[in-house]
Amino acid sequence: KAGVTQTPRYLIKTRGQQVTLSCSPISGHRSVSWYQQTPGQGLQFLFEYFSETQRNKGNFPGRFSGRQFSNSRSEMNVSTLELGDSALYLCASSVAENSPLHFGNGTRLTVT
Amino acid sequence: AQSVAQPEDQVNVAEGNPLTVKCTYSVSGNPYLFWYVQYPNRGLQFLLKYITGDNLVKGSYGFEAEFNKSQTSFHLKKPSALVSDSALYFCAVIPTGRRALTFGSGTRLQVQP
Repeated sequence: KAGVTQTPRYLIKTRGQQVTLSCSPISGHRSVSWYQQTPGQGLQFLFEYFSETQRNKGNFPGRFSGRQFSNSRSEMNVSTLELGDSALYLCASSVAENSPLHFGNGTRLTVT
Repeated sequence: AQSVAQPEDQVNVAEGNPLTVKCTYSVSGNPYLFWYVQYPNRGLQFLLKYITGDNLVKGSYGFEAEFNKSQTSFHLKKPSALVSDSALYFCAVIPTGRRALTFGSGTRLQVQP
C-alpha cells in the first residue's frame, strides 16, 4: 500500500508570494492533518480535514488555509509569504479518530 | 495547557546498551500517548501508542514504552541500542476534547558504535 505522498519535496519562494502544497493520503484514510516543523517552534498543528470538512484548526493566521477533496487528497495554501514561513510542512493521514498518524516526507519551503 | 515535555534535548548511548528517552505529560482525564521517530529529511514514523490497558506497550523496531500514571510519564525504552536507532524522537499526546496531536520538543538519540 502506498504511503502518504507530498508534492513538491522542495520549494523556494519570495516574500509576498503564495504557495500551494499537495498531499495524497494512504488509500482508505479519510482524515488528513497538516503540521509545520521548524527548529525554533518544533512541530505545530495547522489543521485537520475529514470528509472535506475542516474539523480542527491550530493557532495560525488566516494566511494559512487548506482544503480536502472528495478523493481525500488535500492541499494547503499560504498567501503573502513571510520569511518565518520557511519550514518543513508535514501532511499525515489516519484511518480513524485517535488512530496513529502516517506522515509523508514533507515539503521543505524556503522563503527568501 | 495540555501537553507533553521531553526534558532531554539529546541522549547519548553506546551500541548494545539499554536506552531510555523520557517523556512526561500534562493532560486532564485519560491520555492518548504516542511515540514517533524522525530520520533526517523524512517524515515521522509511528512507533507505539498507549490508549488504555497494559502499562507496558510494545512497538516497532524493538521499542517499548512504560506508562506511569502516578508519575505522569511515558518513557520510551529499548533493551539494546543500535547505531541505526540514531534519530529524533517525539512524544505526543491527544489532549482531552481535541483530535490533534500535540508534540513534545523532541529528543535527539545518538547511539555510538
